[in-house]
Amino acid sequence: DQQVKQNSPSLSVQEGRISILNCDYTNSMFDYFLWYKKYPAEGPTFLISISSIKDKNEDGRFTVFLNKSAKHLSLHIVPSQPGDSAVYFCAASEVGSSNTGKLIFGQGTTLQVKP
Amino acid sequence: NAGVTQTPKFRILKIGQSMTLQCTQDMNHNYMYWYRQDPGMGLKLIYYSVGAGITDKGEVPNGYNVSRSTTEDFPLRLELAAPSQTSVYFCASSFWDRNEQFFGPGTRLTVL
Repeated sequence: DQQVKQNSPSLSVQEGRISILNCDYTNSMFDYFLWYKKYPAEGPTFLISISSIKDKNEDGRFTVFLNKSAKHLSLHIVPSQPGDSAVYFCAASEVGSSNTGKLIFGQGTTLQVKP
Repeated sequence: NAGVTQTPKFRILKIGQSMTLQCTQDMNHNYMYWYRQDPGMGLKLIYYSVGAGITDKGEVPNGYNVSRSTTEDFPLRLELAAPSQTSVYFCASSFWDRNEQFFGPGTRLTVL
């Protein structure tokens, strides 16, 4: 049972345009969401996060939107740069009182930004 | 400050052999985690630890064991390697009150 889903395995955009990566989740207990970026032969690196009490969080070129009623979040990258080409993972967790920090990851979306 | 380090980077095992994947963090993080990533898939949690002496199973613990004798180290043990354990293994750590995990560079394991 895939609790976090990234239905687009890949995405290709032109440099300077907007990249939109999508993520859906099924567990209504998830209350904290993160995006990670992964280059080949490296570990994932944290990019941006959002708590369920917000619907938007912005950090430079990266913005994450959360739609709790639709159980959907998206990552917007504006403008996209060739160095953004990587695999992007969406992850979710239940913070709660017994927080163990466990993350449930989606399958990942490979973003290619063409010069 | 090296962050999270993992050794070895690559390893080929024969079926039935055993090995230990090493993980060390120097950020004084309370929580540590082991994940595996199979091709085209996300990361699956194998085991995690919320502090020295405390470990618990994740989503896919079968065939693995862990220990946490110090805050810094969290080794993962494979006792009887099987082809299904061919994967890339990532160790991660975080503070108890932050969900942002820091990952090591990974160990690519092949079992033949």
